Amino acid sequence: DAGITQSPRHKVTETGTPVTLRCHQTENHRYMYWYRQDPGHGLRLIHYSYGVKDTDKGEVSDGYSVSRSKTEDFLLTLESATSSQTSVYFCAISAMGDTGELFFGEGSRLTVL
Amino acid sequence: GQQVMQIPQYQHVQEGEDFTTYCNSSTTLSNIQWYKQRPGGHPVFLIQLVKSGEVKKQKRLTFQFGEAKKNSSLHITATQTTDVGTYFCADTSGTYKYIFGTGTRLKVLA
Repeated sequence: DAGITQSPRHKVTETGTPVTLRCHQTENHRYMYWYRQDPGHGLRLIHYSYGVKDTDKGEVSDGYSVSRSKTEDFLLTLESATSSQTSVYFCAISAMGDTGELFFGEGSRLTVL
Repeated sequence: GQQVMQIPQYQHVQEGEDFTTYCNSSTTLSNIQWYKQRPGGHPVFLIQLVKSGEVKKQKRLTFQFGEAKKNSSLHITATQTTDVGTYFCADTSGTYKYIFGTGTRLKVLA
């Protein structure tokens, strides 16, 4: 398996609190992605990064921000969590961008009460 | 923007029956990838299709890319219980972006 670590793996929080999910990779891949997975919606792209400090929005970016200050770390922040952000969040990495395979982390299950 | 529709959403089959999932796009796709996610797991890459009309096989799995590069299919022959999971197609036509279909959840009844 690719060296991708997501933390925390499980989190329960309350509406209105800030939450940060971390994705750490040891593969030195340039491209990193955050997806959320919800029943009936599949995997939806939140934000992605194509290099250090280079990020862009995906399909469902409202309410989320990201940062990438180092190649190996990609942080996803929910500034003020809402119940609609209860989901499983997957980080993924790719060496080649839109032509190579994506390697996924194990996922982070977030529950917002 | 990019949109990929995948059908069916769910499929239950008896072990030994065949299974097919379809991926359709309103725009021409550059490449398409297929992933499998086991229950409770994370998506794992299966294959990438690049050429119009391309057909690739992996044991009992057959992947096809349409002639117009607007659709793709994954066919499993003689399903086994190990095939259980959700199958996703991913459109990689956008710059650096992978846009996934909604997935087809396969249940195999022994």
